[in-house]
Amino acid sequence: AQSVTQLDSHVSVSEGTPVLLRCNYSSSYSPSLFWYVQHPNKGLQLLLKYTSAATLVKGINGFEAEFKKSETSFHLTKPSAHMSDAAEYFCVVSAPNFGNEKLTFGTGTRLTIIP
Amino acid sequence: KAGVTQTPRYLIKTRGQQVTLSCSPISGHRSVSWYQQTPGQGLQFLFEYFSETQRNKGNFPGRFSGRQFSNSRSEMNVSTLELGDSALYLCASRLGQGESDTQYFGPGTRLTVL
Repeated sequence: AQSVTQLDSHVSVSEGTPVLLRCNYSSSYSPSLFWYVQHPNKGLQLLLKYTSAATLVKGINGFEAEFKKSETSFHLTKPSAHMSDAAEYFCVVSAPNFGNEKLTFGTGTRLTIIP
Repeated sequence: KAGVTQTPRYLIKTRGQQVTLSCSPISGHRSVSWYQQTPGQGLQFLFEYFSETQRNKGNFPGRFSGRQFSNSRSEMNVSTLELGDSALYLCASRLGQGESDTQYFGPGTRLTVL
């Protein structure tokens, strides 16, 4: 079984300050982990993914995430927030069984950027 | 490459009707998955198709069904619509070759049931 918990439903930061969106996961196997972003009335866009290579993963638009097995965490960070970062962010875990994969989504974190 | 496309983008139906949604995956992708997104339940997995076969299924009633064609295009059907079926339905495609395949999402179809 697998699950993912996004610790904050809503995060507000000022433009130009760092962003931290927290995610903890649970998986019986070595997971693949993803962060997706969803802008209003849009589909989901992949920000970055972890697949057991480097534990620090760099994504698009300046985002990165660090896989910490000991803490079962996969937090998303960005050094300096931009107004265009305002969106909903989803942490996602994938079961590692080939042919039987499905994604389990967190409940989402809404990021608000204060001008 | 063109991304995942979904049609129609918006639909309004009444209770008891049925609806069919369509998804065209990225060229070369053989796997198509469907998700339902609602404010109350979040994003939930419906089913996945790979090479015209349903490979995985979420926990939804039999009113929700799908199929995949030989060109990998997929359709999802919901019969006897209920008010609670109002949601954004997202389709995602991936190559289907490995466990760490990235899923690419379409813009969704917003279904409103009156």
